[in-house]
Amino acid sequence: DTGVSQDPRHKITKRGQNVTFRCDPISEHNRLYWYRQTLGQGPEFLTYFQNEAQLEKSRLLSDRFSAERPKGSFSTLEIQRTEQGDSAMYLCASTIDRTLQETQYFGPGTRLLVL
Amino acid sequence: GQQVMQIPQYQHVQEGEDFTTYCNSSTTLSNIQWYKQRPGGHPVFLIQLVKSGEVKKQKRLTFQFGEAKKNSSLHITATQTTDVGTYFCAGILGFGNEKLTFGTGTRLTIIP
Repeated sequence: DTGVSQDPRHKITKRGQNVTFRCDPISEHNRLYWYRQTLGQGPEFLTYFQNEAQLEKSRLLSDRFSAERPKGSFSTLEIQRTEQGDSAMYLCASTIDRTLQETQYFGPGTRLLVL
Repeated sequence: GQQVMQIPQYQHVQEGEDFTTYCNSSTTLSNIQWYKQRPGGHPVFLIQLVKSGEVKKQKRLTFQFGEAKKNSSLHITATQTTDVGTYFCAGILGFGNEKLTFGTGTRLTIIP
């Protein structure tokens, strides 16, 4: 399978715990995006990377959230001290940066439930 | 809040009927993309429109981009049960911006 993969697919955690999600983009794609999607809503942009550089972060990304892409390949999204409001689907997407008007390929998502 | 709105939020149609969803942005879009998300699935890219007034067709699906590049529509002719899902438009707001802003989505259900 050469698509975008995400791990884990589901995560249940207790409030206050830290969680980390991983995204493996399509191998030749140099841009990687993280989105959050809550029930009945469209995906909301969180942050994106061009290679290993994090170029933009949404105001939705509080200081409890951190994302990395250390070698310009896979990325991790960590949420510290989780809150019930963090419960959502976390989607990763990748694209190859040929122009600004590129399409994005989404992974299956990680569904987080904070109890 | 989201700056790209879609109507209707939900649409139930009889199989074989047509379906249209409308996407409106408060600002000019440099492009518009459409995605389909099946229940329990992830967004899957359908098409991208770039030019003002552009119309593209994919079999029973017709996509339009408005002249002012602030609105778009997706029309499905003779719906089938496989068309079930939520349809999202997504645009890059303005120029020099490099992230997609997704619309609120239209959830389509088909009555067999």
